[in-house]
Amino acid sequence: EAGVTQFPSHSVIEKGQTVTLRCDPISGHDNLYWYRRVMGKEIKFLLHFVKESKQDESGMPNNRFLAERTGGTYSTLKVQPAELEDSGVYFCASSQEPLRGSQETQYFGPGTRLLVL
Amino acid sequence: AQSVTQLGSHVSVSEGALVLLRCNYSSSVPPYLFWYVQYPNQGLQLLLKYTSAATLVKGINGFEAEFKKSETSFHLTKPSAHMSDAAEYFCAVSEGFGNEKLTFGTGTRLTIIP
Repeated sequence: EAGVTQFPSHSVIEKGQTVTLRCDPISGHDNLYWYRRVMGKEIKFLLHFVKESKQDESGMPNNRFLAERTGGTYSTLKVQPAELEDSGVYFCASSQEPLRGSQETQYFGPGTRLLVL
Repeated sequence: AQSVTQLGSHVSVSEGALVLLRCNYSSSVPPYLFWYVQYPNQGLQLLLKYTSAATLVKGINGFEAEFKKSETSFHLTKPSAHMSDAAEYFCAVSEGFGNEKLTFGTGTRLTIIP
């Protein structure tokens, strides 16, 4: 079974440009999460999709970030316009729908390393 | 709000020695706790998770962790370190069903000395 995949693996852009990151979750996983790690700090939650709906987007830093999950399959995270502080590693994770009173394992992709110059 | 504190951003142990990576958490509800590992140039891989069953949790690669509610701790241990254990380790907490997002610690980079 294929794991979570992310594209591109690396991206170097200039300040003010636009970048779109893609995540393909494990097939059948309704839950999709985006996280970000900036410059050796902790990994921080950005948002959570259940199928195509945004369940929780409390971690999105500002309106320059737009996440979509059309059709409830893959997801994209667009940063427009990119700023220097957006540099970091963006992780995607997916999980099955949990039963009440439980927590399903989140499976992580390899991440996209974004550098804004 | 939940939080995780990992004491020691860098830990070095000799090959064959005990590995102990510390994690303390804060949570207003019974927590779910996780340890993830990131090997160089790879994604995060789940080592083990605590989900309110047994307090001593065994994971992959010989690692285990013990949930201690009185100490709000979930330290990761391995009796004998191997060179292949060199990686970065992350402790994480979540509230579980209805709020499954993970809150991570800052990570501990483990170096194995030959």
